[in-house]
Amino acid sequence: EDKVVQSPLSLVVHEGDTVTLNCSYEVTNFRSLLWYKQEKKAPTFLFMLTSSGIEKKSGRLSSILDKKELFSILNITATQTGDSAVYLCAVNNNDMRFGAGTRLTVKP
Amino acid sequence: NAGVTQTPKFRILKIGQSMTLQCTQDMNHNYMYWYRQDPGMGLKLIYYSVGAGITDKGEVPNGYNVSRSTTEDFPLRLELAAPSQTSVYFCASSYSTAGNTIYFGEGSWLTVV
Repeated sequence: EDKVVQSPLSLVVHEGDTVTLNCSYEVTNFRSLLWYKQEKKAPTFLFMLTSSGIEKKSGRLSSILDKKELFSILNITATQTGDSAVYLCAVNNNDMRFGAGTRLTVKP
Repeated sequence: NAGVTQTPKFRILKIGQSMTLQCTQDMNHNYMYWYRQDPGMGLKLIYYSVGAGITDKGEVPNGYNVSRSTTEDFPLRLELAAPSQTSVYFCASSYSTAGNTIYFGEGSWLTVV
């Protein structure tokens, strides 16, 4: 059975901390892995990863994929209160499978 | 650009009632999806479609039906609403090629009482 597992499920940090969110997967016909940020409504797109070892970066956020070990990480450096959200990992195979998400809370 | 549009945004149903959540996209995407998200939980796939006339079950299809008569529209039908179907429903779409990005609608908040 295809599955996507994120860890930790929740995380509380203080502003300025660096966090690493994990996503492991077991799916058939892997095509890509996507990271989303969800605040109050629909998820917003962060990154799409298709190749191992190539880091994607956007400001303080970065992500990398390991297709051999079947996982991805999302790093956020110098966290801010505006980073508080649920971060979702999704794997694109024949459909799209989402993990349960990691709820990040950044305290002032 | 409209993107993915869902209606209604909010709805309260009585147990046993039926309703249809509408979803339309104007990006000519082949793939469309319906997800539900329960409070504090991740997204779960209900049904998906890889093109007009083709639909398939996702993780939690029971109690729902879909159709895809056109590329643009992918309605989700609840036949006999149950309290367990109280959730937020997201419609989404993507291109069919590998490594595609998925685009979401704004969500439909459904309460069954």
